[in-house]
Amino acid sequence: GAVVSQHPSWVICKSGTSVKIECRSLDFQATTMFWYRQFPKQSLMLMATSNEGSKATYEQGVEKDKFLINHASLTLSTLTVTSAHPEDSSFYICSATDKGDTEAFFGQGTRLTVV
Amino acid sequence: KNQVEQSPQSLIILEGKNCTLQCNYTVSPFSNLRWYKQDTGRGPVSLTIMTFSENTKSNGRYTATLDADTKQSSLHITASQLSDSASYICVVFTGNQFYFGTGTSLTVIP
Repeated sequence: GAVVSQHPSWVICKSGTSVKIECRSLDFQATTMFWYRQFPKQSLMLMATSNEGSKATYEQGVEKDKFLINHASLTLSTLTVTSAHPEDSSFYICSATDKGDTEAFFGQGTRLTVV
Repeated sequence: KNQVEQSPQSLIILEGKNCTLQCNYTVSPFSNLRWYKQDTGRGPVSLTIMTFSENTKSNGRYTATLDADTKQSSLHITASQLSDSASYICVVFTGNQFYFGTGTSLTVIP
């Protein structure tokens, strides 16, 4: 089946620094990629939707200047958490859909800890 | 309001027993409904995907049902194993947006 690779799987960074998370579709072209945030024992919360070559659409309450999303190609999207703070510590997951939008494939997630 | 509600919130069962998880949704329009399994600290993995015309779909010991009239779905797990311990998430796709349920946390104990 289709594979979405997310990297890194975990990262620890100092408060005030920026962290970039990559999401790659390995064997299909992902016309749309989604970025989610998940707190412990809670469901996924959609942060933003990005289509290749266009600006991401952010959900209400998500700061677009803090969570920078780039979807420069059909196989790669990145999420950059800028000036990270401890409250940004969370589990971030990406997903990608193929051209037919028939299935959503998820990355393995990135555990971000800001100290 | 588009919502996906799951029950129970958590469930503990003995290894070898069966269980059924419920999903009720008010999402419209409807394209398909998916069940995902999410292990702790991992991304969700697809179990089943059903369109409007499908009532039942199986994937090994997992059987999903869909009643599009009542907007209800269930996921039945047969002969549970310790490795079934995970969160199970019901997701409804409208055609351009996904709506996630809050998930059911299943714990299978020996």
